[in-house]
Amino acid sequence: NAGVTQTPKFQVLKTGQSMTLQCAQDMNHEYMSWYRQDPGMGLRLIHYSVGAGITDQGEVPNGYNVSRSTTEDFPLRLLSAAPSQTSVYFCASSSRGTGNTIYFGEGSWLTVV
Amino acid sequence: LAKTTQPISMDSYEGQEVNITCSHNNIATNDYITWYQQFPSQGPRFIIQGYKTKVTNEVASLFIPADRKSSTLSLPRVSLSDTAVYYCLVGSTSGTYKYIFGTGTRLKVLA
Repeated sequence: NAGVTQTPKFQVLKTGQSMTLQCAQDMNHEYMSWYRQDPGMGLRLIHYSVGAGITDQGEVPNGYNVSRSTTEDFPLRLLSAAPSQTSVYFCASSSRGTGNTIYFGEGSWLTVV
Repeated sequence: LAKTTQPISMDSYEGQEVNITCSHNNIATNDYITWYQQFPSQGPRFIIQGYKTKVTNEVASLFIPADRKSSTLSLPRVSLSDTAVYYCLVGSTSGTYKYIFGTGTRLKVLA
């Protein structure tokens, strides 16, 4: 029972590099989202999707792109990494059938040097 | 979206009951209230969810007054392992799905 799976778990990037954080869920949830969490801080919504082909911006979308080509996958792309994007990134999913019960992945630790 | 307000931090001793209150003055008719727990280096996980009155499960109780403008998470007889950040989230599956978390409450349980 995998739930929400994120890869990679740890990544170090140089300033200006691009990369993609992968997220997959096997629960057939229509809603998926990405959050970032800076040390000692709360969760901030980056982007979210209510279904395949539909995405929208959250609280802090600048510097990130997303796409949702399938129900299962919701990758997060960093276009040109900056030290301010050093953070822990959490992918999450939920379903109408579960109210707003959100299931989170284990997180991806990103350091930009 | 209902903005939530919680105390930033709380301390408690082992064996005590802990009550964490969340204010959500702009809650909508279709909104549910859900509480999550987050340990360091982990993603948040679901604790309890409710719409009105009282809900109880094996780990916590959730009290919601009639006006639903606040809710209280109650943790009975906490232990050191309950040290975590607790978030309350208000949202509806008939809304925008734009789930915004508040700052959370950092609970520290002392021996």
